[in-house]
Amino acid sequence: QKEVEQNSGPLSVPEGAIASLNCTYSDRGSQSFFWYRQYSGKSPELIMFIYSNGDKEDGRFTAQLNKASQYVSLLIRDSQPSDSATYLCAVNRDSSYKLIFGSGTRLLVRP
Amino acid sequence: DVKVTQSSRYLVKRTGEKVFLECVQDMDHENMFWYRQDPGLGLRLIYFSYDVKMKEKGDIPEGYSVSREKKERFSLILESASTNQTSMYLCASSSGGRAAKNIQYFGAGTRLSVL
Repeated sequence: QKEVEQNSGPLSVPEGAIASLNCTYSDRGSQSFFWYRQYSGKSPELIMFIYSNGDKEDGRFTAQLNKASQYVSLLIRDSQPSDSATYLCAVNRDSSYKLIFGSGTRLLVRP
Repeated sequence: DVKVTQSSRYLVKRTGEKVFLECVQDMDHENMFWYRQDPGLGLRLIYFSYDVKMKEKGDIPEGYSVSREKKERFSLILESASTNQTSMYLCASSSGGRAAKNIQYFGAGTRLSVL
């Protein structure tokens, strides 16, 4: 079992729809959770981070964390073609500097 | 804004050459990281450093070494490049000791081809 799992996709949604990206993790000691966006040929850029159970909203993006079920999700409202990218979920354990990355979910937003 | 600068965007090297990849950050971050990214395998940690002259192996350190002589600079060295080291190499940095909330910021990446 991978430490951080994501569906590779592609997840295809029409423009204006809500895109829902999911990530599960195996280590119950995980404390911090990150979503990065990576355009083709570019490096990852941070979109959001979340530490506490519940929802965290930033503009069109909402991160949801459920530690009991060991999953974290990213919702993108009013999806735009410019949101088409690979989304990486990353998890950090409290005692470690390291981030454990999932393999990413490719999102395609159709005009 | 945090800036992580990698010295080259593209490199082409020959098998057996010694290769240096350089990374500089301007935010006084304690932690620096080297990853490689390959299709289907995601981001894999090669080495990281939590202080000057301190380093720890990541998940795939074989065939690589690192150097951190100054806080802002972290170098990845391929002692004898091989074709299976053709990849995208990403440098990242983050602040603060062992805090759980350290966010990693990435450089633009170096696409290395070993022929």
